[in-house]
Amino acid sequence: RKEVEQDPGPFNVPEGATVAFNCTYSNSASQSFFWYRQDCRKEPKLLMSVYSSGNEDGRFTAQLNRASQYISLLIRDSKLSDSATYLCVVIPTGGYQLIWGAGTKLIIKP
Amino acid sequence: DAGVIQSPRHEVTEMGQEVTLRCKPISGHDYLFWYRQTMMRGLELLIYFNNNVPIDDSGMPEDRFSAKMPNASFSTLKIQPSEPRDSAVYFCASSLWGEQYFGPGTRLTVT
Repeated sequence: RKEVEQDPGPFNVPEGATVAFNCTYSNSASQSFFWYRQDCRKEPKLLMSVYSSGNEDGRFTAQLNRASQYISLLIRDSKLSDSATYLCVVIPTGGYQLIWGAGTKLIIKP
Repeated sequence: DAGVIQSPRHEVTEMGQEVTLRCKPISGHDYLFWYRQTMMRGLELLIYFNNNVPIDDSGMPEDRFSAKMPNASFSTLKIQPSEPRDSAVYFCASSLWGEQYFGPGTRLTVT
């Protein structure tokens, strides 16, 4: 089993729709969680950190479920510019190395 | 503020040649990471440094790869000799508190 697993997609979603991704992790002692976004032929960029209480940044909401060991990302009112690959990242307790998911590809269609 | 700077942005070389990739981390960041990304294998961590000291190089594929960080503002990743299977995008990232910030990458093609 991979340490961090994501549905690779692609998710094909009409503009304006709401889309949600989940990411599961195997190490129950993981301490920090992030979502990154990577556009085609570009570097990964930090989208948001994921806090235990959940957090929201505009149209984006991230949630952490420690009991079930998954994090989620919700995108509301999706825009064409949201098309990208979304990478889930986990840092184990006591470690500094980021454990990366393989990414979920999102395609927003007009 | 300048982000992570990498050079060159593109490199095309012939098999057997030495390749040197360069990275300047964000000022004040004490962690530096080198990654490789391909379609087949995704994003792979090669090595990371803390305060210029290599901490974990278990991701370095083989002895042909070496990395150095002579000071807090500069790191190199060297491949000697290069092989076609080394073709990939190589990213450098730096960090202070956990979140990593990536450079634009070096797209390496070995023919």
